[in-house]
Amino acid sequence: AQTVTQSQPEMSVQEAETVTLSCTYDTSESDYYLFWYKQPPSRQMILVIRQEAYKQQNATENRFSVNFQKAAKSFSLKISDSQLGDAAMYFCALGGSQGNLIFGKGTKLSVKP
Amino acid sequence: GAGVSQSPSNKVTEKGKDVELRCDPISGHTALYWYRQSLGQGLEFLIYFQGNSAPDKSGLPSDRFSAERTGGSVSTLTIQRTQQEDSAVYLCASSPEYLRTYEQYFGPGTRLTVT
Repeated sequence: AQTVTQSQPEMSVQEAETVTLSCTYDTSESDYYLFWYKQPPSRQMILVIRQEAYKQQNATENRFSVNFQKAAKSFSLKISDSQLGDAAMYFCALGGSQGNLIFGKGTKLSVKP
Repeated sequence: GAGVSQSPSNKVTEKGKDVELRCDPISGHTALYWYRQSLGQGLEFLIYFQGNSAPDKSGLPSDRFSAERTGGSVSTLTIQRTQQEDSAVYLCASSPEYLRTYEQYFGPGTRLTVT
């Protein structure tokens, strides 16, 4: 079975500081995709970053980067220079066998001014 | 261009009533997905369509749930005889191609409240 686990229900970070959100997953596939999605109060799911498992290099998108440890099945998200607009629920997701996404339960990120 | 739209945005219904939730995907997207997000839970995958076909309906929570897609475009998720445990946000996503890069674009969701 494919599963995604986010062990931090809530996190807090000071504006301009760096925060890391954790995610572990399980899959028997050798090639797969991993994602981080952001969900603000508007409910709109926004793709933050995507990682293809066969790529060794960690994905980066501006202030967002991942630490992908394939052997450990770990996929953490680092947000640098945190901004007030980064406050949201963050979901880690794994590409499923039906083309669907398998989500963790999310981490609520608060950003303090 | 227009993104994925869903209607209604919010729906309050009485227990036992039927409801229909609508999803308009991005034009040209062949794959469409429905998810359910319950309070305090992650997103639960319900069903996907490749064109008008839904090959696997096993993710639907019960036989009170059904979904269809017509013309390779609009999809409707129907819940019959609603129960309080059906209260959730129902999210729809569309994708240019099935099983390619999992590039899914989400709608804003429908918040369903069953009283």
